[in-house]
Amino acid sequence: GAGVSQSPRYKVAKRGQDVALRCDPISGHVSLFWYQQALGQGPEFLTYFQNEAQLDKSGLPSDRFFAERPEGSVSTLKIQRTQQEDSAVYLCASSPRQGQGSYGYTFGSGTRLTVV
Amino acid sequence: KNQVEQSPQSLIILEGKNCTLQCNYTVSPFSNLRWYKQDTGRGPVSLTIMTFSENTKSNGRYTATLDADTKQSSLHITASQLSDSASYICVVNGAGNMLTFGGGTRLMVKP
Repeated sequence: GAGVSQSPRYKVAKRGQDVALRCDPISGHVSLFWYQQALGQGPEFLTYFQNEAQLDKSGLPSDRFFAERPEGSVSTLKIQRTQQEDSAVYLCASSPRQGQGSYGYTFGSGTRLTVV
Repeated sequence: KNQVEQSPQSLIILEGKNCTLQCNYTVSPFSNLRWYKQDTGRGPVSLTIMTFSENTKSNGRYTATLDADTKQSSLHITASQLSDSASYICVVNGAGNMLTFGGGTRLMVKP
């Protein structure tokens, strides 16, 4: 596709439920990033993939958060045993080169997760 | 610690008026600075990217300035429109080609 696609757009989960959020990056983009954006705040870095390798997961808030990109294209962010503080918009971005700062770095529209 | 601070946190203006949003950063080394517009329910979209040597860059009614000496940037919006209502996020590209995000300014343009 022409842009970064995320699904679902909205997800309501009961506390304790597991959720999986999907990101389809722009075709050919080697770098993929996940961010968490709380209401009224800027995006906070979660994790970074270069192709299928997860090079940085320093932003994942707990071991309940897990991300994968097994074939170097589509990525899934999984949150286990969701808690209310996990409620946020989860943004995915991809880039044609290594790192966040390259030109062509593009965000998806995000998945809004609400934990009730 | 690399930080990007934006002000004001929120702003309400009348349609047709101008406004200026501020961004101060402590990111070092510095590669470039970006301004993004984020509409409600959407991902951020790039407005401008400025490198160290650029002092000003325009994109339609949006004009960004950069003072790399004082580590300050501003985004000026001219003749605001209702569609300018959004969050504006300042982002600095620093060491390791990694980005540091500001918390954003939420702009509301009223008719």
